[in-house]
Amino acid sequence: EDQVTQSPEALRLQEGESSSLNCSYTVSGLRGLFWYRQDPGKGPEFLFTLYSAGEEKEKERLKATLTKKESFLHITAPKPEDSATYLCAVQGRYTGFQKLVFGTGTRLLVSP
Amino acid sequence: NAGVTQTPKFRVLKTGQSMTLLCAQDMNHEYMYWYRQDPGMGLRLIHYSVGEGTTAKGEVPDGYNVSRLKKQNFLLGLESAAPSQTSVYFCASSYRQGGEQFFGPGTRLTVL
Repeated sequence: EDQVTQSPEALRLQEGESSSLNCSYTVSGLRGLFWYRQDPGKGPEFLFTLYSAGEEKEKERLKATLTKKESFLHITAPKPEDSATYLCAVQGRYTGFQKLVFGTGTRLLVSP
Repeated sequence: NAGVTQTPKFRVLKTGQSMTLLCAQDMNHEYMYWYRQDPGMGLRLIHYSVGEGTTAKGEVPDGYNVSRLKKQNFLLGLESAAPSQTSVYFCASSYRQGGEQFFGPGTRLTVL
């Protein structure tokens, strides 16, 4: 069964203090790994898709990387507006393209 | 473009009552999904559709029904609401198989 574990559950940073969020996964053949951002009371907002180990993608202060067992979301010099819950999800080759298995997320709080 | 919209935003039901949640998307996406999000659990797929007139069961379909009579709309029905269906419901759509999913703002449902 496909599984996703995110750590830490919550992370508190000072503005400018870089850090990384972890997404560990087990899947029978990875089709894709997705990162989403979710603000309180809102729906998840798509950030990145990674397809193969070694792949990296960047967007502003965020950089997502992928290995065969985990993905990291690196946040460089975060600002208070980066505060949100970050969700990771995997799509397996043998469980159907429509099924995303989500982790429970990392709640990030960036203080000024 | 409005993207994915959901109505209503909030609803309180009594046990045994029925209701329908409406999802609409203006992106001409073929694929649509209904999820529920509960504290401490990842988003879980309830039902999905791969095109107008089609529906299929997801991970947690019991107690729910869906219909996709028009390409832009995906309805989620609760025939006899139960307290266990208290949750936040999200609709999503995607333009291709395995592609990133775009989420609506959610409906917070409380069943007393």
